[in-house]
Parts: sequence; structure tokens; C-alpha cells
Amino acid sequence: KAGVTQTPRYLIKTRGQQVTLSCSPISGHRSVSWYQQTPGQGLQFLFEYFSETQRNKGNFPGRFSGRQFSNSRSEMNVSTLELGDSALYLCASSPGTSVRTDTQYFGPGTRLTVL
Amino acid sequence: TQLLEQSPQFLSIQEGENLTVYCNSSSVFSSLQWYRQEPGEGPVLLVTVVTGGEVKKLKRLTFQFGDARKDSSLHITAAQPGDTGLYLCRGSSNTGKLIFGQGTTLQVKP
Repeated sequence: KAGVTQTPRYLIKTRGQQVTLSCSPISGHRSVSWYQQTPGQGLQFLFEYFSETQRNKGNFPGRFSGRQFSNSRSEMNVSTLELGDSALYLCASSPGTSVRTDTQYFGPGTRLTVL
Repeated sequence: TQLLEQSPQFLSIQEGENLTVYCNSSSVFSSLQWYRQEPGEGPVLLVTVVTGGEVKKLKRLTFQFGDARKDSSLHITAAQPGDTGLYLCRGSSNTGKLIFGQGTTLQVKP
């Protein structure tokens, strides 16, 4: 079974620009979650999508948004980039049956650098 | 705001030593998971604990969920260089909110 894939793996943007990151979950998985990982803040939950609907949301500003398509692929968008948005963005897929106990399978991440 | 505090943040030990990593909160979690992340990769699930007082063993790794489901520990016996990595605990609240601890960076020297 193919794992979670994220594209692109590396991205460099400048302040004020916007960026779109893509995630393809494991086949059959209906839940896709996004996380931001930084050395200072650790791994922080952005949002979770299940069957094209946002099911859970973390405490991030509205500049961070996402969506999920009918084939479960997901994208996240960050508008008006700030220097502090530089981070590793991780996508995780799971069957979506139980948030408590589902195994989340993480992709390798997209390393975003904002200059 | 629910928080998960992990300690220690960094640990550098010699091969063969034992170690324990702690994950503590003032809030109750319905479940807790431990992950290990290696450089350039995403975290990989090690274990899920859901019952207060639960103990799970995975080869040389022992995981425990506190009786009150507010804390957890990961104990590694006879650490090996292959255990090197970032260890993360993740709690799931009753409302489905997911919270990660800050992580413990473990380095095991041969």
C-alpha cells in the first residue's frame, strides 16, 4: 500500500505571498489532518477533514485554510505569508472511524521557508 | 487550554542505558498515543493507550497510561542507537481535540 505523499517537499516563498500544499492520503482513508511543526512550538494541529468536511480545527488564524476533495486528497492554503509561518507542514491520513484510537499515518512533510 | 508537557526535552545517553520519558497534563484525555519521528520523516505511531492504568509493551519499550488518564510514560530498556529520534506523545480529548507534547529528542550513543 502506498504511503501518504505530500507535494512539494520543499518550498521557499516571500512575505505576503500565498502557498498551497497538497496531500494524497493512503487509499481508503477518509480522514486527513494537517499539522505545523516548528522547533519552538512543536507539533500543532491545524485542522482535520473527513469526507470533504472540516471536522476539527486548531487555534490558527483564518489565513490558514484547507479543503478535501471527493477522492480524499487534501490541500491546505496559507495566505499573506509571515516569517513565522516557516515550518514543516505535516499531513496525516487515517481511516477516520475514531479520532481516539485511529492510527494516523504521516507523510514526510513540506518544508516551507518564508523569506 | 489543554497542554501536554513532555520531559525531558533532550536526552543523550550511552547504548545499554535505561530511560523514561514523561508526558503530563492537568486535563483528562480519552486516549494517548506515542510516536517516534526520525529526521526528514513524519512521526510513526508506536502505541495507543486508552484505559487508565494500562501498560503496553513493545519489545524494549514499555508504555503506561496514568490511572486518572492525565499522564503517561515511555520507558526504554537497554537503549540502542536505533532508538535515536524525537518521541512525541499525543492526547485526544473527549471532544476530539488532538494535542501533541513538545517532544523529547533522544540520542543514543554507541
